[in-house]
Amino acid sequence: DTGVSQNPRHKITKRGQNVTFRCDPISEHNRLYWYRQTLGQGPEFLTYFQNEAQLEKSRLLSDRFSAERPKGSFSTLEIQRTEQGDSAMYLCASRDRPNNEQFFGPGTRLTVL
Amino acid sequence: AQSVAQPEDQVNVAEGNPLTVKCTYSVSGNPYLFWYVQYPNRGLQFLLKYITGDNLVKGSYGFEAEFNKSQTSFHLKKPSALVSDSALYFCAVRDIPSGGSYIPTFGRGTSLIVHP
Repeated sequence: DTGVSQNPRHKITKRGQNVTFRCDPISEHNRLYWYRQTLGQGPEFLTYFQNEAQLEKSRLLSDRFSAERPKGSFSTLEIQRTEQGDSAMYLCASRDRPNNEQFFGPGTRLTVL
Repeated sequence: AQSVAQPEDQVNVAEGNPLTVKCTYSVSGNPYLFWYVQYPNRGLQFLLKYITGDNLVKGSYGFEAEFNKSQTSFHLKKPSALVSDSALYFCAVRDIPSGGSYIPTFGRGTSLIVHP
């Protein structure tokens, strides 16, 4: 399968714990995006990488959130000191050129108890 | 600033009938427009896009969309709905100002329910 993959698919954690998600984009795609999606909403942009450079961050990305793409391939999204409001689906997407469509992964569903 | 609106939370249609899912947008320049579909517990799948050229865009699974600049709309259509088309549909827009962001804005989604 050469699509975008995300791990884990589901994560249940207790409030205050740290969690890390991984995204493996399509190999030739140099642009990678993280989104958050809650019930009844469309994807909300979190952050964007071009190669290893993090070029944009949303105001939604509080200090507890950090994302990396150290070698311009896979990316990780870490949430520290999770809160119940962090419960959502976290989507990763990649694309090659700016005017092309994004390819989305299956998402990681986070539940914070 | 860019924004997109999907005025209907839910669209119901009988199998075999035509369907329309509405989308309107607002941009400061020219838009790139996209439609995606999402099945339960899955990521979004690309259906079609408008970049430039012909206002009628054809996409996957028999879907098409018409770009209407005067009405700032990009409605998704299909001549004959299938039960398997039942899913969540998202419209997205990206403005193309000079030096602008490459981040699209997504609508809230429209749930399409096709009844047998």
